[in-house]
Amino acid sequence: GDSVTQMEGPVTLSEEAFLTINCTYTATGYPSLFWYVQYPGEGLQLLLKATKADDKGSNKGFEATYRKETTSFHLEKGSVQVSDSAVYFCALGYPNAGNNRKLIWGLGTSLAVNP
Amino acid sequence: KAGVTQTPRYLIKTRGQQVTLSCSPISGHRSVSWYQQTPGQGLQFLFEYFSETQRNKGNFPGRFSGRQFSNSRSEMNVSTLELGDSALYLCASSLGLAGVGSETQYFGPGTRLLVL
Repeated sequence: GDSVTQMEGPVTLSEEAFLTINCTYTATGYPSLFWYVQYPGEGLQLLLKATKADDKGSNKGFEATYRKETTSFHLEKGSVQVSDSAVYFCALGYPNAGNNRKLIWGLGTSLAVNP
Repeated sequence: KAGVTQTPRYLIKTRGQQVTLSCSPISGHRSVSWYQQTPGQGLQFLFEYFSETQRNKGNFPGRFSGRQFSNSRSEMNVSTLELGDSALYLCASSLGLAGVGSETQYFGPGTRLLVL
């Protein structure tokens, strides 16, 4: 079945370090891909998304490129800040409704950035 | 535009009791999804309601149920609470069906349930 696999955390980095959080997926067809972020004590919020192959989503300095050939959507940021400490979720959606389509979620990757 | 609101924010119950959680979606959103979040299991999908109809359901026992009203507000009920039901329950709303196309979900802050 369809699935999303994220790298396990926690990930601990120093401020200004480079961040990569890996996300790979298994799906039929051409899904949309999402990264959501959950800051401490809050609900999730959309960070970025991409709807077709080679699309690059970007927001708040974060980027992720939809790679169909490697079925991946890795999240990257060139220089993390303490305020980026959060849990990051990769998710997969479908191009159209039917067959009880729903979002497929990864387990989340916790990021801690130290000053 | 107001965001997704959930009430109550915190609840303490004892085993065997039942609980009802409430979610008010963003105005105009017709889909409401419920999730259970625990440290060990991550984000687990419970169910989704769209225009008062349950459209999707996760793998949870029948003790977990929900409904949606004509104004799109939704409630989730858990009967015969167990210790393992302690979790953060998140509600999310979207204009259309969640997970379809590039539809974005907007999450509330959650209700933290502790079962003693």
